[in-house]
Amino acid sequence: DQQVKQNSPSLSVQEGRISILNCDYTNSMFDYFLWYKKYPAEGPTFLISISSIKDKNEDGRFTVFLNKSAKHLSLHIVPSQPGDSAVYFCAASRGDYKLSFGAGTTVTVRA
Amino acid sequence: NAGVTQTPKFQVLKTGQSMTLQCAQDMNHEYMSWYRQDPGMGLRLIHYSVGAGITDQGEVPNGYNVSRSTTEDFPLRLLSAAPSQTSVYFCASSYKGTGITYEQYFGPGTRLTVT
Repeated sequence: DQQVKQNSPSLSVQEGRISILNCDYTNSMFDYFLWYKKYPAEGPTFLISISSIKDKNEDGRFTVFLNKSAKHLSLHIVPSQPGDSAVYFCAASRGDYKLSFGAGTTVTVRA
Repeated sequence: NAGVTQTPKFQVLKTGQSMTLQCAQDMNHEYMSWYRQDPGMGLRLIHYSVGAGITDQGEVPNGYNVSRSTTEDFPLRLLSAAPSQTSVYFCASSYKGTGITYEQYFGPGTRLTVT
């Protein structure tokens, strides 16, 4: 049973607009959340993370929001650029190095 | 630094054959792990190691063996390949320390097909 869920397999957005990716989790023991980006034929690369003691973390064009009561987090990309076209994975940790991943969301940025 | 390297990039096996997927990192990371990626399922943890000589099972360990004799290397062995092991395999590593973020560095992957 997947404990981290990304219910939108794909997202298409126009260049310059906002991309919003969503992630839900079921295990209340998760206390650290990460987003990874993956291009075809490459390994995932770390994008941004957030601890459960925070509700927002920002890094340039990327912002992650955490709603613990709803067990929900989201990744905002503003503005979206063509190089952002990739698969994005949400991951969660229970305070150790074992990550549980969602199924991924494929983002396509249209010119 | 080469980071995390994996060999081979591609492999085709027949059912019942065995093979070893190689993984090495040059960042002196204590933690290493193996994941498999399947469509619609994200990445699932197979085995992991928190240091040389220490390994443990992840979410989907059946059919795989690992060992960690050095900090740098963490090979994954398929004992008797089955079509269900057709997947893309990723090795990852991470460092311990204060202010840890659990960020893991991934290799480029090995695409395995079992016929």
